[in-house]
Amino acid sequence: DQQVKQNSPSLSVQEGRISILNCDYTNSMFDYFLWYKKYPAEGPTFLISISSIKDKNEDGRFTVFLNKSAKHLSLHIVPSQPGDSAVYFCAASGQAGANNLFFGTGTRLTVIP
Amino acid sequence: EAQVTQNPRYLITVTGKKLTVTCSQNMNHEYMSWYRQDPGLGLRQIYYSMNVEVTDKGDVPEGYKVSRKEKRNFPLILESPSPNQTSLYFCASSLSFLGGADTQYFGPGTRLTVL
Repeated sequence: DQQVKQNSPSLSVQEGRISILNCDYTNSMFDYFLWYKKYPAEGPTFLISISSIKDKNEDGRFTVFLNKSAKHLSLHIVPSQPGDSAVYFCAASGQAGANNLFFGTGTRLTVIP
Repeated sequence: EAQVTQNPRYLITVTGKKLTVTCSQNMNHEYMSWYRQDPGLGLRQIYYSMNVEVTDKGDVPEGYKVSRKEKRNFPLILESPSPNQTSLYFCASSLSFLGGADTQYFGPGTRLTVL
């Protein structure tokens, strides 16, 4: 059973606008959440993370929001750039800092110039 | 350059023919892991290793073996591959088990097709 879900397989956004990628999880024991970015023919690379003690974490153009009561997190990219076009995976861990990750199915973001 | 390398990058084989996918990291990382990525399922962990000679099953270990005789290498072995093991495989490493999931480095992937 998929414990981390990304219900939108794809998303297209105009350059300069906001991209919002969503992720839901079912396991209430998860307490650390991450977003990975993946380009074709490359492995995933870490983008941004958030601990369950926070509800927001920001890093430049990227912000992750966590709503624990709804078991939902989202990644906001503002402004979106063509180089952001990639597959984005949401992941969760049952222990802050642990490496055993549960991944979502990914959302393919296309930023249109 | 710090990196995780995998070989081969692409492999087509037949059912039952034993194969090994190698994984090597040059960062002196203790923790290494194998994932498979399938459409509609995301990345799922196959096996992981917290240090030399210490390995454990992930979520989908059936049909796979691993070994960790040296710190830098973590090969994935398919003793008798079957078509349902056709997938994209990623090796990953990090400094330690509790080093932080955000410090996990992934290899470029191995696309395996079993006919």
